[in-house]
Formats: sequence, structure tokens, C-alpha cells
Amino acid sequence: AQSVSQHNHHVILSEAASLELGCNYSYGGTVNLFWYVQYPGQHLQLLLKYFSGDPLVKGIKGFEAEFIKSKFSFNLRKPSVQWSDTAEYFCAVNARTGNQFYFGTGTSLTVIP
Amino acid sequence: DTEVTQTPKHLVMGMTNKKSLKCEQHMGHRAMYWYKQKAKKPPELMFVYSYEKLSINESVPSRFSPECPNSSLLNLHLHALQPEDSALYLCASSRGVGISRGNRTFGSGTRLTVV
Repeated sequence: AQSVSQHNHHVILSEAASLELGCNYSYGGTVNLFWYVQYPGQHLQLLLKYFSGDPLVKGIKGFEAEFIKSKFSFNLRKPSVQWSDTAEYFCAVNARTGNQFYFGTGTSLTVIP
Repeated sequence: DTEVTQTPKHLVMGMTNKKSLKCEQHMGHRAMYWYKQKAKKPPELMFVYSYEKLSINESVPSRFSPECPNSSLLNLHLHALQPEDSALYLCASSRGVGISRGNRTFGSGTRLTVV
């Protein structure tokens, strides 16, 4: 079965620390890749997406992600986090077969002022 | 502001009530989705509509009944729910169901509490 793994379930960082959240998927075919953020009590917002081209994708709020096809990974990074980045972060994969859209289990990020 | 509008934002209903959740988008998207999300968990797909036809039902209990009156509207009719059905219900849409058209735009959700 296809799957999306986010190994970091809960990350706690101090402000200005660097962030990297892992995302690995198991599907071997063509995929589109996404990172969504969900602030407390709010809806899912798209941070960034990869469809094709440059594997280093820039998103909103200073986030970026790198698609490494050989590692089936799409890790999210931010050089310096802020308290306002406290949220749930979900990786998602849109696989060609049956247009399946798989979410990872999510990573809860807490940034301490 | 999200381009997928869901109403109501909050709903409290008893186990014998009948209520409906509504979702609307005007982006010309031809695929619409219902998801259920529990706290700190990823959204779980419930239904997919493609060109106003139900294309995927992820084994959802019959107490949840979707309806797509037209290409812009998606409803979820609720009847005889259980307390464990309390969750955030998210609507989403995408241009289509092909991989290049599958980027989903999510609504703000309806937070449902069943008492």
C-alpha cells in the first residue's frame, strides 16, 4: 500500500532555530508533492508544492522543500522559525494511480519564544 | 481567505437530528471532496465527486449522505450521528481528478459536535 511517512511527530524549537521536517513516500510512479500547514483552530493552507522542474521549491512564509527522487523524500525547511510558525504540518502526495491523495500523519511544531 | 466556502463553521447536533453541511466554490473546479479530520490527525477522505458524479465513497457509513446539486455546490447530509462522529469536516476542490489537476484547495471546515 502507498504511504506517506512523517517521522517527526512533535518538534519543539526555540525562535530563530532552523527547521527541517522529514517526509518520505512509498509510491514509485509520478507524483505531485505538497506541504500543508494548519494553525491552531484553522483550516489547511498550502505552503508549497512540487509538480516538476527545479526540485528545490520555495513556498510562502520563508519555507522551502527539496524533492529528492532517489530518496523518495520531500523535506520541509525553514532557516529561522518564529513563534507564529507553531502549527501542524502535513506532507501530502498525489499519486498518478487513481488520483490518490495521501496525507502523512502530521508533525506538530511548537516554537518557544 | 479561502476560495472554498463552508457553512456553518460550527454545528452542535443531537443524535436524532438531521442537519446538512454546505460547501461552495466558484473556481470552476470539477472535482470536490469531503474529508473528516480528528484533532492533530491528517484529513481522512470520505467522498469524491467528479463532474457532479460520485466517484469514490471510502466505505463511509450511510448516516453520511453526500449530494452535489451542481458543479459549484457540495452538501453533506447528516442523520442519526454518533458522538464519535464529532470532528472537523473539510471540503476541498480541484480542477479535475487527473494527477496534474489534483491540487486540492481546502475550505475552513465545519466543526461538528454530536451530543
